[in-house]
Amino acid sequence: GAVVSQHPSWVICKSGTSVKIECRSLDFQATTMFWYRQFPKQSLMLMATSNEGSKATYEQGVEKDKFLINHASLTLSTLTVTSAHPEDSSFYICSARGGTGRWTEAFFGQGTRLTVV
Amino acid sequence: AQRVTQPEKLLSVFKGAPVELKCNYSYSGSPELFWYVQYSRQRLQLLLRHISRESIKGFTADLNKGETSFHLKKPFAQEEDSAMYYCALSGRNAGNMLTFGGGTRLMVKP
Repeated sequence: GAVVSQHPSWVICKSGTSVKIECRSLDFQATTMFWYRQFPKQSLMLMATSNEGSKATYEQGVEKDKFLINHASLTLSTLTVTSAHPEDSSFYICSARGGTGRWTEAFFGQGTRLTVV
Repeated sequence: AQRVTQPEKLLSVFKGAPVELKCNYSYSGSPELFWYVQYSRQRLQLLLRHISRESIKGFTADLNKGETSFHLKKPFAQEEDSAMYYCALSGRNAGNMLTFGGGTRLMVKP
């Protein structure tokens, strides 16, 4: 199946700094990518939908200035957590669908564990 | 708005016992339903989708529009089925996104 690669897998940063997470579709073009956040023992919470060449669509309650999303190409989307604080510590997961149909499979990255100290 | 509910956070069964992971959805239209699975230390992956009407690893799921349910079933659970299972919905007007349920952790005991 198709592969979505996320980098880094794990990052620790100081409070107040910014962290960039990359999400790449390795063998298919992803017009749309999705960013999720997962708290311990909880489900995935959609943060935003990232469309290539246009602004991301953020879910209610997600600060767009805090979580900057860029989708510069059909194979790369980035999530930058700006001025990170300990409450931003979480597991961030990206996914991409291989087509535009509602029935198409979503492929997930391995996730990035962010710890802000 | 679309919503997916998985009422059980944890389901524990013995090996060989039947398994049913419940999923109910709310959507005004014809949704596409999926089951995703996350094994320990692995990424989330598709298990099955209702449109394919297939059986994967012995699991099946039938879409019941009357009850707005998409329960996942397996007649005889195996230890390797232990994982986190997520029901997901994709709607026509939802920008191609998937809405996930809260997940159910399945533990199959020997």
